[in-house]
Amino acid sequence: NAGVMQNPRHLVRRRGQEARLRCSPMKGHSHVYWYRQLPEEGLKFMVYLQKENIIDESGMPKERFSAEFPKEGPSILRIQQVVRGDSAAYFCASSGETNSPLHFGNGTRLTVT
Amino acid sequence: RKEVEQDPGPFNVPEGATVAFNCTYSNSASQSFFWYRQDCRKEPKLLMSVYSSGNEDGRFTAQLNRASQYISLLIRDSKLSDSATYLCVVVSGGSYIPTFGRGTSLIVHP
Repeated sequence: NAGVMQNPRHLVRRRGQEARLRCSPMKGHSHVYWYRQLPEEGLKFMVYLQKENIIDESGMPKERFSAEFPKEGPSILRIQQVVRGDSAAYFCASSGETNSPLHFGNGTRLTVT
Repeated sequence: RKEVEQDPGPFNVPEGATVAFNCTYSNSASQSFFWYRQDCRKEPKLLMSVYSSGNEDGRFTAQLNRASQYISLLIRDSKLSDSATYLCVVVSGGSYIPTFGRGTSLIVHP
């Protein structure tokens, strides 16, 4: 019973490059959430998706950030033209229904040099 | 006022102690409540859901007070392995977005 799978675990990008973070939800889960956590900070909501739909992206910066959850394949969080301030841990979580507990992946630690 | 507020701590307690954390939330329409635990540089893990009538899971007891808009977590007989950050999570009606508190740090020492 595979849990939420995120990859890569660690990602290093130079300023101006693109970062692609992938997340496969737990089997049977159709709700995917992305959160960002800065060092010594709490988890900040970014985006909530269901298959082929962005339900709520109110926590995502308007520029450079995008997310998708296609019919086939993992959810992707894409950050274009990364800056040092994007360095953080990005966690993906999935749930089977709204109001159900979230199950988290191991996270992707993005470092921008 | 922040949506979900927690005392960051740290709470420094000896093994065997009983410790309690509170978490307040601002949206009276909130529907679901959870406690998570996060170890350093790891992903959050579900500790327990919080039900209106209160619920217990071994040494852990969670309570919900809708009138005062807070939830609590009580840990009895603390173990060294309980040292972690405890995150309060609230899901508001309508948005279905789980909002996390910043967490309360617990350090259990011998």
